[in-house]
Amino acid sequence: GNSVTQMEGPVTLSEEAFLTINCTYTATGYPSLFWYVQYPGEGLQLLLKATKADDKGSNKGFEATYRKETTSFHLEKGSVQVSDSAVYFCALSATLRPSGGSNYKLTFGKGTLLTVNP
Amino acid sequence: EAQVTQNPRYLITVTGKKLTVTCSQNMNHEYMSWYRQDPGLGLRQIYYSMNVEVTDKGDVPEGYKVSRKEKRNFPLILESPSPNQTSLYFCASSLSRNRYNEQFFGPGTRLTVL
Repeated sequence: GNSVTQMEGPVTLSEEAFLTINCTYTATGYPSLFWYVQYPGEGLQLLLKATKADDKGSNKGFEATYRKETTSFHLEKGSVQVSDSAVYFCALSATLRPSGGSNYKLTFGKGTLLTVNP
Repeated sequence: EAQVTQNPRYLITVTGKKLTVTCSQNMNHEYMSWYRQDPGLGLRQIYYSMNVEVTDKGDVPEGYKVSRKEKRNFPLILESPSPNQTSLYFCASSLSRNRYNEQFFGPGTRLTVL
C-alpha cells in the first residue's frame, strides 16, 4: 500500500532561519506528491505539488523536489517568517493508471508542527 | 468565491444520538471525500465519492454513512455516535479523480461525543 513518513515535530526556528522538513514515501502505481499547510483553526490548503519525477513544486518561497530514486519530497524554505507557523503535511495520491483510477485518495504523513519565533 | 463549506463547525453530542455533518462545494467538482484527523495519526479517509450516486469506503468507514444525491453535497452521517468518533473532520473535493488535481478542503468540524 501507500505510505508517507515525515519528520516528527515540533520544529521551532527563529525568523529568517532555514527550514527543511523531510518526507519519504512508498507508493504503488503513479504517485503525485503534495505539501499541504494547516494554519491554526483552519482547514488544509495546498502549498505545492509535483506530479512526476524531478519536478520541483514551489510557492511562497517554499520548494520541494520529487526524487524518485530516493522516494523523497523534502520541503525547504530559505528564510522562514513568523507567519509560516503552521502544521505541514506531506501527502501522496497514486493511481494504477497514469492519469486516473478508482480512488486517488490522499495518503498523509502525520504532520509537522512548525513554530517560528521573532 | 470557490469553497468547500461544512456545518456545523463545532458539535458536542452524546453517545447514540444520530447526527449529520453537511458538506457542500460550489466548484462543480466530481470527487468528494471525508477525512478524520486525530493527533499522531494524521488524516485518514472515511468515505469518498467519484460522482453522484457513486460512493465507496475509505480506510476507516466503520460507524459512518454517506450519500451523494447531488453533485455539490456530500453529507457525513453518524447513525449512533460513540466516543471513539470524537475527532476533527474534513470534507474535501476535487475536479476529478485525476491524480494531478489538488483537493480543496473545508474548514473542519470538531466533533465531541460524550
